[in-house]
Amino acid sequence: RKEVEQDPGPFNVPEGATVAFNCTYSNSASQSFFWYRQDCRKEPKLLMSVYSSGNEDGRFTAQLNRASQYISLLIRDSKLSDSATYLCVVSGGSYIPTFGRGTSLIVHP
Amino acid sequence: GAVVSQHPSWVICKSGTSVKIECRSLDFQATTMFWYRQFPKQSLMLMATSNEGSKATYEQGVEKDKFLINHASLTLSTLTVTSAHPEDSSFYICSAQLRDTQYFGPGTRLTVL
Repeated sequence: RKEVEQDPGPFNVPEGATVAFNCTYSNSASQSFFWYRQDCRKEPKLLMSVYSSGNEDGRFTAQLNRASQYISLLIRDSKLSDSATYLCVVSGGSYIPTFGRGTSLIVHP
Repeated sequence: GAVVSQHPSWVICKSGTSVKIECRSLDFQATTMFWYRQFPKQSLMLMATSNEGSKATYEQGVEKDKFLINHASLTLSTLTVTSAHPEDSSFYICSAQLRDTQYFGPGTRLTVL
């Protein structure tokens, strides 16, 4: 079983839609959780950290479920510019990050 | 804040030559930096963990004699691809760690002819 698993998609949604991604992790000792966004041929950029209490930033909401060992990302009112690959990153006490393979989102007019 | 730069942004070289890529944290000190490689339409692959003042830790399958890493200061790590071959052509990305968060450089696209 991979340490961090994501549905690669693509998720193909119309503008204005709400879309959610999940990411499961296998190491129960994981301590830090993040969502990154990567555009084609560019480096990943930090989208948001995921706290135990959840995290919301505008149209983006991230949640952590430690019991079931997954994190989620909800995007409301999708924009064309949200089209990208969303990477889930998990790290433990040593802070060496483990990346998921990414979930591809395509928002169409 | 938390800006990471990489140089060069792209390089084309002949087979057999060596290429050095620099990764700098511009506004913070990073004890730990990471080097990744990404092939088209594939996920990031961690190559090695670069620790300031000590030897890098390489992931399984990554040749340490081919990918030389030097983390000479708290703001600079370098990756040298020695005797590059066409199969080394890839997108090389570094990240610098600030507390528990990774901040990525813009990447270096290497093409070996």
